[in-house]
Amino acid sequence: DIQMTQSPSTLSASVGDRVTITCRASQSITNWLAWYQQKPGKAPKLLIYKASNLASGVPSRFSGSGSGTEFTLTIGNLQPDDFGNYYCHQYKTHWTFGQGTKVEIK
Amino acid sequence: QVHLVQSGPEVKKPGASVKLSCETSGYKFINYGIAWVRQAPGQGLEWMGWISTYNGDTNSPQRFQDRVTMTTDTSTTTAYMELRSLTSDDTAVYFCARALGYCTSASCSALDNWGQGTLLTVSS
Repeated sequence: DIQMTQSPSTLSASVGDRVTITCRASQSITNWLAWYQQKPGKAPKLLIYKASNLASGVPSRFSGSGSGTEFTLTIGNLQPDDFGNYYCHQYKTHWTFGQGTKVEIK
Repeated sequence: QVHLVQSGPEVKKPGASVKLSCETSGYKFINYGIAWVRQAPGQGLEWMGWISTYNGDTNSPQRFQDRVTMTTDTSTTTAYMELRSLTSDDTAVYFCARALGYCTSASCSALDNWGQGTLLTVSS
């Protein structure tokens, strides 16, 4: 199975900051990567698909980049509503998810 | 508007089976695959499998292949997942979710709409 290593596991940032979360795949997944946000007690919400495509209704401060084995999710101008857990998801073959990144607002 | 509404919480004993449902509405059912993902308490996301709503083809991790059966009823636009031989390790919230497009036996896309989740508790 393809392993997804996500970092950091936790980050604390202030409103207005630019934050970056990284996901590394154990082998190339070309661009078959998605990012989700999950709030406590809720289902995940799709943010980015195919590495860099913004999902419908998602604010433009979210962006994704990367290909092959290295991917990043960037939140520009962090907002209070952006707290939660973020997961990467490779869907090239036999899906796997990253371990998650908890984003806390200072 | 797309909706996926899952069945209510379940409590089962070890060794039992459970069948979870996911009733969909607001879109053409057969044009989008359905996947199942679970989340143990305080843990991350784990893929259980996906099903093509077009022809019933499925794919799931090898560790679940002998315990999981996924089906759909196109007349009621509902997806089902049965999980057998339950253990306490199966205690989790189970989500169904719609893929961005068709799923095949080999591939399926990212998940753009999710159900609210069903809590399954396995305890003696």
